[in-house]
Formats: sequence, structure tokens, C-alpha cells
Amino acid sequence: QVQLQESGPGLVKPSQSLSLTCSVSGASMSSGSYYWTWIRHHPGKGLEWIGYSYNTGTTHYNPSLRSRVNIAVDTSNNQFSLELSSVSAADTAVYYCVRRGYYYYNIGHSFSEIWGQGTMVTVSS
Amino acid sequence: DIQVTQSPSSLSASVGDRVTITCRVSQDISNYLAWYQHKPGKVPELLILAASSLQSGVPSRFSGSGSGTDFTLTISSLQPEDVATYYCQNYKNAPWTFGQGTKVEIK
Repeated sequence: QVQLQESGPGLVKPSQSLSLTCSVSGASMSSGSYYWTWIRHHPGKGLEWIGYSYNTGTTHYNPSLRSRVNIAVDTSNNQFSLELSSVSAADTAVYYCVRRGYYYYNIGHSFSEIWGQGTMVTVSS
Repeated sequence: DIQVTQSPSSLSASVGDRVTITCRVSQDISNYLAWYQHKPGKVPELLILAASSLQSGVPSRFSGSGSGTDFTLTISSLQPEDVATYYCQNYKNAPWTFGQGTKVEIK
């Protein structure tokens, strides 16, 4: 059974960088083709897609965060990471890591995804 | 980038009511649309993908429809456990944008 678990500091000071790690257990990240994704939920607001890194090394980020974000995959340690620079209070949120894999058929498609439990990050001095 | 507009932002309905949430996207995404349910303190749950494909374990009172630019999530008979915020998500092309969310409450 594949599981994802986020880890990282729960409190970050404004203007510093936020760094989170998602540890994957139950399967090797080197097997299969997946989108290793980060999503966040601001308190009292909506879900926000941050971006992904695909197995080929391709990354794609939310345009509103592109200048500050980096997602990296470390298959040797079976984990992937999120780094968000120059944070402010607006980056306070629950951060989720997600693995998504697509399946294509003759007449359609599907996907499967697995979410971590989420980790709360507060930006405050 | 594709824009996603979800409505209404909130609704209040009685138990047993039929509830409809709409999602409009700014360009044709075929059926590359998903619906999620998010309860406070919980991980978002995937309800529907490919616009209308109900995920295993999701009650049959949930259904999705639409293609192209206009999509709908319907709860045929609202239950107390359906109180949550619902989101649509475009995944045709990145960024995989979420709608703004619809908060569903019981009247």
C-alpha cells in the first residue's frame, strides 16, 4: 500500500524559504510514471494547485507562484520536495503532497491518486 | 492558462433536496474535469473524474456531467454527511486549476 507523508517546519519566518519533504513508502518512485504534486489549502479559502514534477523531470508550476517555487524528485531517497522562497503570511496553509498516475484506454482515460495527510505551515515572525 | 469558474460559492439546502453545482472553464477541455469533496480537517476526496466517472465507494447520489466548457456536479438527495466544500479541477493542461469552491450547508 503506497503512502505519502509530508514533513517540515510548521513555522517559517516571513521572507525566508519554506521547505517540505514528501516521503513515499510502499513503492519505488522509480517505478511507473507519476506526477509528484503539491497542493495547498489556505485557512478559510480554497484549494490551490502549486505544481508538479513528472518522472521525466518535467516540472510545471502555478503561474502565480512560478517565480518562487521549486519541486524536486529524489528517487534515491524515495521522496520529493517543495521549496517556496520569500514567504509571507499569504503562504500560511495546509500543504498536501499527492501522487497522480494516468491511464489511457481506447475510449477514454482515468487516473489514480494518493494524498498525504497534509502538514500545516504558518508564516509568522 | 485555463480559467475555472465555479458557482455558486455557497448554498444551503434541506436534507433530501437536489443540489447542483456548476463549473465553467475558459476553453474546451473535453472531459478532463474532476470533482472533489473537502471536509474541514480532512484530506480532499476525489468524487468524480473524466467529468462523469464516479469513483469507487462514492455514493450513487453523486453524479457529474458535461463536456467541453460546462460541467455540473449533482447531489440527487442531499444528506447531512454531504456538508463540505466541493471543488472542480481542470486537468487537461497544466496548471491544473481548481475552481473557487462551493460550500454546501444544511438548511
